[in-house]
Amino acid sequence: AQSVTQLGSHVSVSEGALVLLRCNYSSSVPPYLFWYVQYPNQGLQLLLKYTTGATLVKGINGFEAEFKKSETSFHLTKPSAHMSDAAEYFCAVSGSNYGGATNKLIFGTGTLLAVQP
Amino acid sequence: SAVISQKPSRDICQRGTSLTIQCQVDSQVTMMFWYRQQPGQSLTLIATANQGSEATYESGFVIDKFPISRPNLTFSTLTVSNLSPEDSSIYLCSVRLAGGNTQYFGPGTRLTVL
Repeated sequence: AQSVTQLGSHVSVSEGALVLLRCNYSSSVPPYLFWYVQYPNQGLQLLLKYTTGATLVKGINGFEAEFKKSETSFHLTKPSAHMSDAAEYFCAVSGSNYGGATNKLIFGTGTLLAVQP
Repeated sequence: SAVISQKPSRDICQRGTSLTIQCQVDSQVTMMFWYRQQPGQSLTLIATANQGSEATYESGFVIDKFPISRPNLTFSTLTVSNLSPEDSSIYLCSVRLAGGNTQYFGPGTRLTVL
């Protein structure tokens, strides 16, 4: 079974400040991990993903995330927040794709990021 | 990635009616999925749309309420039947490309049931 926990349903930062959105996962198989962003009244856009290999992954818009197996975490960071980063962010996990592995993407409850001028 | 379109983008429906949502992809994809996002909530998988066969539904979702078609590798429909206000949600189509491990999402259909 898999699950995702996002700590903090609302996060507020000042423009130019560090963004840190927390995600912890539980998975009985090697996980694939994803961060998606949802702007108001829009669908989900992939920010970045971890499948295998390098544990620090870089995504679009200056975001990055680090897979830490020992901590079962995949926190999302950005060194300097922009006003345009205000959106809802979802962490998601799926099973690795070997012989009948799950297609199901399990989402966290989301974190709404507000950026103050 | 893939370019995914959904129709309609939003609709307001009366209780007891049905709404059919279309999902069109610009390339052939192996997997298509339908998700529901209830107001203020995260996304929940409704079903996997299988090409040429019956969809695979997740626990809590049934074919009579959410019939799905997938006649080819680029198109699927989701019908939400016998609408009630509790069905007011955003419905999103997603796809996964052949050999890929990432799901890409359409823009969603915002349904309001009065």
